[in-house]
Amino acid sequence: DQQVKQNSPSLSVQEGRISILNCDYTNSMFDYFLWYKKYPAEGPTFLISISSIKDKNEDGRFTVFLNKSAKHLSLHIVPSQPGDSAVYFCAARKSAGGTSYGKLTFGQGTILTVHP
Amino acid sequence: DAGVTQSPTHLIKTRGQHVTLRCSPISGHKSVSWYQQVLGQGPQFIFQYYEKEERGRGNFPDRFSARQFPNYSSELNVNALLLGDSALYLCASSLRGDRSYEQYFGPGTRLTVT
Repeated sequence: DQQVKQNSPSLSVQEGRISILNCDYTNSMFDYFLWYKKYPAEGPTFLISISSIKDKNEDGRFTVFLNKSAKHLSLHIVPSQPGDSAVYFCAARKSAGGTSYGKLTFGQGTILTVHP
Repeated sequence: DAGVTQSPTHLIKTRGQHVTLRCSPISGHKSVSWYQQVLGQGPQFIFQYYEKEERGRGNFPDRFSARQFPNYSSELNVNALLLGDSALYLCASSLRGDRSYEQYFGPGTRLTVT
């Protein structure tokens, strides 16, 4: 049961342009959504998060948009830089109160390549 | 500030053996979670510990166990290793139980079972 899905295995963009990474989810009990970036041989690095009560959160070049009715979120990177090339994971957390409230459910990841 | 540290970096074990992986959280973080990541997939939740108590468990067999120590470091133990246990094991720490959605990951331990 894949509750968080990233349907694009890879994305290639030119330096300076916008990168848009997409993520879909099925569980309406998720209350926080996060994006992580992962380089080879390193652990995932936290990028940005958004609460389910918001529809947008911005941090520098990174903006996350949440469309609850469509159960869809996206990460925009503007402008894209070659150093952004990595695997990007979206993750979601179910609202607190039950067991496994600290559990993050991850998508499969999208490989972003930014060409100079 | 030191981030999450994990040891060992990588190790090779034989089927049927036992393994212990270690994790030290970011200073001040009291919650530790463990994840398994196999190639081509996102991390899968195994356990969460907060204040030395198990607060969450993923869909993993009883061969997997963990504990958290008074200094908030943690161990993940896997018994009777199978080939399918080969993966990157990630530890993550967070500041408080109710803000556990902001998890910060260590570099992982690469386990190979032959």
